[in-house]
Amino acid sequence: DAGVIQSPRHEVTEMGQEVTLRCKPISGHNSLFWYRQTMMRGLELLIYFNNNVPIDDSGMPEDRFSAKMPNASFSTLKIQPSEPRDSAVYFCASSLAGYGYTFGSGTRLTVV
Amino acid sequence: KQEVTQIPAALSVPEGENLVLNCSFTDSAIYNLQWFRQDPGKGLTSLLLIQSSQREQTSGRLNASLDKSSGRSTLYIAASQPGDSATYLCAVLRGAQKLVFGQGTRLTINP
Repeated sequence: DAGVIQSPRHEVTEMGQEVTLRCKPISGHNSLFWYRQTMMRGLELLIYFNNNVPIDDSGMPEDRFSAKMPNASFSTLKIQPSEPRDSAVYFCASSLAGYGYTFGSGTRLTVV
Repeated sequence: KQEVTQIPAALSVPEGENLVLNCSFTDSAIYNLQWFRQDPGKGLTSLLLIQSSQREQTSGRLNASLDKSSGRSTLYIAASQPGDSATYLCAVLRGAQKLVFGQGTRLTINP
């Protein structure tokens, strides 16, 4: 298995632009998670899906953030409009019923 | 609210030493605990997973222990090598599949 695949690896965008991050979980995993990592706050859970259904989005910072999982093999995290304070590394992870998490390599987002 | 604390925040030791990284958590009702490694600019690599019913797990030079009653876990690294230099993160799974992370210990092994 290729592991959790995220794209793009790096994204630089101007303030106000829409940003879409993509994730392909490990085949067979039924849970998918979006995390954000910053120096100040460490790793924060933004949202997670179970069997493609959003279960908890309490970590999503504000309405500018949205996430979807249209099928078991794909998820997106969208920021619209983006702001400089959204600059961070965004990680996607998947697991099978909580037994061990596998993380992707992350997307480093820079909003200028 | 589950809180996870890792001490020390940074550690620098000479090559060859055995060392211990500490992790504490406030709520002992956890399902499992996982140790990760993160290299600079990279993602997280899972090292060891300890289920709540287990006391320890071993993988090569790494040994992780879990004491739920005291809310503590340790990661023991034997015969440290420069390649072990990284940030080590502890994370606990309590409920609803929420993995809560500590802030990590940044480890430097000096040749």
